[in-house]
Amino acid sequence: AQSVTQPDIHITVSEGASLELRCNYSYGATPYLFWYVQSPGQGLQLLLKYFSGDTLVQGIKGFEAEFKRSQSSFNLRKPSVHWSDAAEYFCAVEAGGTSYGKLTFGQGTILTVHP
Amino acid sequence: GAVVSQHPSRVICKSGTSVKIECRSLDFQATTMFWYRQFPKQSLMLMATSNEGSKATYEQGVEKDKFLINHASLTLSTLTVTSAHPEDSSFYICSARVLGRGGVRADTQYFGPGTRLTVL
Repeated sequence: AQSVTQPDIHITVSEGASLELRCNYSYGATPYLFWYVQSPGQGLQLLLKYFSGDTLVQGIKGFEAEFKRSQSSFNLRKPSVHWSDAAEYFCAVEAGGTSYGKLTFGQGTILTVHP
Repeated sequence: GAVVSQHPSRVICKSGTSVKIECRSLDFQATTMFWYRQFPKQSLMLMATSNEGSKATYEQGVEKDKFLINHASLTLSTLTVTSAHPEDSSFYICSARVLGRGGVRADTQYFGPGTRLTVL
């Protein structure tokens, strides 16, 4: 079965600083990979996704992620963080096949942004 | 954009009662809806997959008689927590998936805002 690990439970950065959130997955083939953001009182919002092709994926709100097969990673990055980016971020994997549509989520990373 | 709503957003009930949570896709038809459960400071765990007009498929360890799921239409799925107990207190989140066109797989799930259930 597939699994997702987000090593960092909580990250604090200053506004304007760069950001990288780590995500590692375990799956035998190439999975479909997603990053979601969850703000209090709001549903999960899709930031970006990777299915195939270019391994550097651009998303909304200035986020990007890079799929690295050799490292089984899909880290999320943003060059300059804004205070409004403070939220919880989830990496997720979908295995396909009989698991089509079923997302396995990582534990989440809480992002705090200092002014 | 696609919007998914959940009702109620928050519910408090007594132990032994049943609670129904609705999940609606407001501006699109969702052939498949998913129900997740999120404990405090933990990740989302998939409970079941709900396809319109058919029985839900439950994940291992999820009691289907405890968590009744009905997907009566392309825009509505309901989760009923029967005979709720304090250990059922959690944050329940639904998502809806749109079928792609021409056989192309859908690639986005749209999530509802969640329902906070507290069982006293």
